[in-house]
This record gives sequence, C-alpha cells and structure tokens, in this order.
Amino acid sequence: NAGVTQTPKFRVLKTGQSMTLLCAQDMNHEYMYWYRQDPGMGLRLIHYSVGEGTTAKGEVPDGYNVSRLKKQNFLLGLESAAPSQTSVYFCASSYWGAGYGYTFGSGTRLTVV
Amino acid sequence: ELKVEQNPLFLSMQEGKNYTIYCNYSTTSDRLYWYRQDPGKSLESLFVLLSNGAVKQEGRLMASLDTKARLSTLHITAAVHDLSATYFCAVDRGSSNTGKLIFGQGTTLQVKP
Repeated sequence: NAGVTQTPKFRVLKTGQSMTLLCAQDMNHEYMYWYRQDPGMGLRLIHYSVGEGTTAKGEVPDGYNVSRLKKQNFLLGLESAAPSQTSVYFCASSYWGAGYGYTFGSGTRLTVV
Repeated sequence: ELKVEQNPLFLSMQEGKNYTIYCNYSTTSDRLYWYRQDPGKSLESLFVLLSNGAVKQEGRLMASLDTKARLSTLHITAAVHDLSATYFCAVDRGSSNTGKLIFGQGTTLQVKP
C-alpha cells in the first residue's frame, strides 16, 4: 500500500516555464488537496477536489491549475512559473473529508530561478 | 476568515522537562488536528480531536480541545530528543463537507540532551 505518491520529488524551473506535479493515491479517497509550505507560514491550500471531475480554489490559487480526471490522481499545473512559486508542495488525501484526517505525500521541492 | 495561530513558534527545552504548545483559532470549529513534521519530511498525523473536551494521549504527548475557548493544547511530558520536530495544528471549518484544513504556522521544538 503506497498511500500518497508525489512526483517529481525535486525540480528546478526557469521563470516562465511550465510543469505539472502529479499526486496519486491508492486508498480510494474521495477528497484530495494541494498545499504549499513556505517558512514561517505553515501550509496554505492551493486547490482541492471533493471527487472525480471536481476541483475548487483554496486560499492561494493564483498561478496554478488543477485537474482530477481520475479518482486516484490529482494534478497541479504551473503554466508560467514565477520565483514566488518556489516552495515545497504537498498533496494530501482524505476519506469523506478531514474528519478522518489527511494522509500526506512526501512533497515536491520546487525552485524557480 | 478562519485564522489559526500557534504559540510559541520556536521552543528549545531540556530533556526531561514539560511544556505546552498552544493553538488558537478564530472561528467556530469542532475539529482540530495535530501533525508532526521532521526536517525535510512529510507531515504525520498525531491526533484528531473531534469534540469539545476531547483529550488524546500517545506516549509523551497529550492533546486537548476546548471549542468554547477556541483553543487546543499539545502537552509534552518529560521531553526526549526524539520529539524534536515541527508540530502543526490545523482546523477545518466544520460547516462544510470539503474537509479543507487551515494550518497554524508550526512550532519547532528542539529538545536538548
């Protein structure tokens, strides 16, 4: 049982480049989330999904897009990367909402130069 | 807007000592979560507190929730070096079924021998 798997683990982008972060879970969770973690700011919600084919904005959605075409996968896209998007990105999933707690992926460390 | 604040943000303590981390939040919620993060690692679920007065204990850590005061505490008893990590509390809005969590800034605990 792999849990929540994020790829890639590390990436360096040049300003203006695009990329997609992949989150895959094998726990049949309905709910999936993308957070970014920056020093001293905790984790901030970017986008989330409450089921296959659904997505919604979180606290800091600007500059990001997401898709949930399959229940087990949640993709986070950066169309035109900016240095302000340098961060550690965490994906999480949950069964029927956070009342059961989240399972987090191992994170993706992204640097935009 | 739901805000979650932790206090202190950094804690250096000697092994064997006791201490408490505080988590205050700004709007009504009945559900609060504690996570642990080791440096460069993902977040690990510690406690899920789902009602007023809830108390949970695991080893040297004990978490409690007072929804009327909008306060949760994480108490550390007789600290050991292995407890050195960053601890996050998180709250969901409770009124929705999205499971979105709002995180505090994190408390970095350093336990010295």
